Amino acid sequence: AQRVTQPEKLLSVFKGAPVELKCNYSYSGSPELFWYVQYSRQRLQLLLRHISRESIKGFTADLNKGETSFHLKKPFAQEEDSAMYYCALSFLGSGNTGKLIFGQGTTLQVKP
Amino acid sequence: DAGVIQSPRHEVTEMGQEVTLRCKPISGHDYLFWYRQTMMRGLELLIYFNNNVPIDDSGMPEDRFSAKMPNASFSTLKIQPSEPRDSAVYFCASSFKDRSSYNEQFFGPGTRLTVL
Repeated sequence: AQRVTQPEKLLSVFKGAPVELKCNYSYSGSPELFWYVQYSRQRLQLLLRHISRESIKGFTADLNKGETSFHLKKPFAQEEDSAMYYCALSFLGSGNTGKLIFGQGTTLQVKP
Repeated sequence: DAGVIQSPRHEVTEMGQEVTLRCKPISGHDYLFWYRQTMMRGLELLIYFNNNVPIDDSGMPEDRFSAKMPNASFSTLKIQPSEPRDSAVYFCASSFKDRSSYNEQFFGPGTRLTVL
């Protein structure tokens, strides 16, 4: 069965420190991975997708099929990065139903 | 575009009462999803629709929960009877799937439900 695991419920770092939010998935086919973010009092929104290979707000994430991981990284955390982050998995190919499977989420707290 | 619209934003009710949550997806989107968010379990998919037809309701916790989508612009999630453990934030999301789509889902603001 498809599954997304975010092992840390809470990650607390100081401003300027590097950040890595971990995400592991289990899926035997070709996965499509996303990071969604929910800032305080705002809607859950897409942060980035692996297929775009882009950097958004200084965040990057590389899909590692060997380790089945899609960790979210930022070299220097900012206070405005404090939010809840969700890793999500979708399926490519004929089985694509539009469904996303979310991890349990990690709260990132960036302290001044 | 106002995005996905949900109502009410907050709902406080007593155990045993019926609760109805409403959602208006983004016009033109053909998928609609209902999620529940709790501290313990994170974001759980309850049910989703494609072209107004329920596709997967395996996440619906029990028979007390039901969802409908009578047309492309409206969906409801009903809990009858409600219980304190149903207290959570309920999100609605919509998306548009084409051959090149990344399945980006657009979320509503959520309904915070408190069952006393």
